[in-house]
Amino acid sequence: GDSVTQMEGPVTLSEEAFLTINCTYTATGYPSLFWYVQYPGEGLQLLLKATKADDKGSNKGFEATYRKETTSFHLEKGSVQVSDSAVYFCALSDSKFNFGNEKLTFGTGTRLTIIP
Amino acid sequence: NAGVTQTPKFRVLKTGQSMTLLCAQDMNHEYMYWYRQDPGMGLRLIHYSVGEGTTAKGEVPDGYNVSRLKKQNFLLGLESAAPSQTSVYFCASSPGFYISSYNSPLHFGNGTRLTVT
Repeated sequence: GDSVTQMEGPVTLSEEAFLTINCTYTATGYPSLFWYVQYPGEGLQLLLKATKADDKGSNKGFEATYRKETTSFHLEKGSVQVSDSAVYFCALSDSKFNFGNEKLTFGTGTRLTIIP
Repeated sequence: NAGVTQTPKFRVLKTGQSMTLLCAQDMNHEYMYWYRQDPGMGLRLIHYSVGEGTTAKGEVPDGYNVSRLKKQNFLLGLESAAPSQTSVYFCASSPGFYISSYNSPLHFGNGTRLTVT
């Protein structure tokens, strides 16, 4: 079945450091890929998404590129802030052609802490 | 603008007790989901519903039941709680079939932290 493998955490960085959180996936069909973020005490929020190969999703300074050849969707940010401290989840949807049954499969999450 | 609301926020149960978690959404979404979040496991789908009056099993349905009598509400029941059901439970909703085509595929509630002793 479909699966998502995420970089183990926790990750601790200093403010303004460069961030990469690795995500690779296994899927049949044509999955869409997502990054969700969970701030303390809250539910998950969509950070960015990409629906086909070579698409780049971006939001709030974060970027991720859908790489079909390496089955990856790594999250990057050039200069992190304390406010980016959260848990980040990579996710994929099964084929959008699986009519009426499209669901998300999540990775295990990576906790990111940014220190001033 | 409430979105997805879960009640209660916290609950402690003894083994064998029962309870119901309520999820309500005000976005007229067709699809609703219940996930559990456990350390090192990410989010796992328990049950979901593709419309009023329908329910379906997800990855980890055992020990849980659900009902969707009204479009805006999705209830998760534990008939006889076990310590293995200690977790954070999240409800989510989505507009319809092709969730990846929407700008915001899933809308999540803030979670219910359940402890079973």
